[in-house]
Amino acid sequence: GAGVSQSPSNKVTEKGKDVELRCDPISGHTALYWYRQRLGQGLEFLIYFQGNSAPDKSGLPSDRFSAERTGESVSTLTIQRTQQEDSAVYLCASSLVVSGYTFGSGTRLTVV
Amino acid sequence: GESVGLHLPTLSVQEGDNSIINCAYSNSASDYFIWYKQESGKGPQFIIDIRSNMDKRQGQRVTVLLNKTVKHLSLQIAATQPGDSAVYFCAEILQGGKLIFGQGTELSVKP
Repeated sequence: GAGVSQSPSNKVTEKGKDVELRCDPISGHTALYWYRQRLGQGLEFLIYFQGNSAPDKSGLPSDRFSAERTGESVSTLTIQRTQQEDSAVYLCASSLVVSGYTFGSGTRLTVV
Repeated sequence: GESVGLHLPTLSVQEGDNSIINCAYSNSASDYFIWYKQESGKGPQFIIDIRSNMDKRQGQRVTVLLNKTVKHLSLQIAATQPGDSAVYFCAEILQGGKLIFGQGTELSVKP
């Protein structure tokens, strides 16, 4: 596609429910990143994919967070048993070459 | 997760003035640095980048300066316009391609 697409754009969920966030990277981009951005704060690294493998999962905050990528394309970030502190904007970026990162508009997650 | 500087300082400038936004980075082995602009409700947008073997790079109305001795980056915006109002982030690319964001600064341009 023309850009990185994330869905849904907004998600409101009840505490304790599971959510899945989707990222469609730019076609052909081999690297894919997930970030979390709390209100008024910077971007916090979560996980990085090169192809379908995740060489760096160091940013995942807890074992309630997981991510996968298939076909060197779509990635899903799953948050199980959501908590209020999970409320944030979740941003995805993809790149083909170093410095060529393109970000999506994010999914705004609100846990009530 | 990793990030540097979770509190966002603010910079207020008059339209037409020059703006200077500063950032400290963490890893002396970083090969590449990028400045991003983030408007409300949108993802970060690329502004300008610089390799670690350079100390200055100019774009249209923007200049990035890199001081590796003190691990400091700055973004200079000439003739700041209301459309420049946004949050600006520096980011460093670590070996292996991992992109780590630094401190953000909120730029407010007064007409």
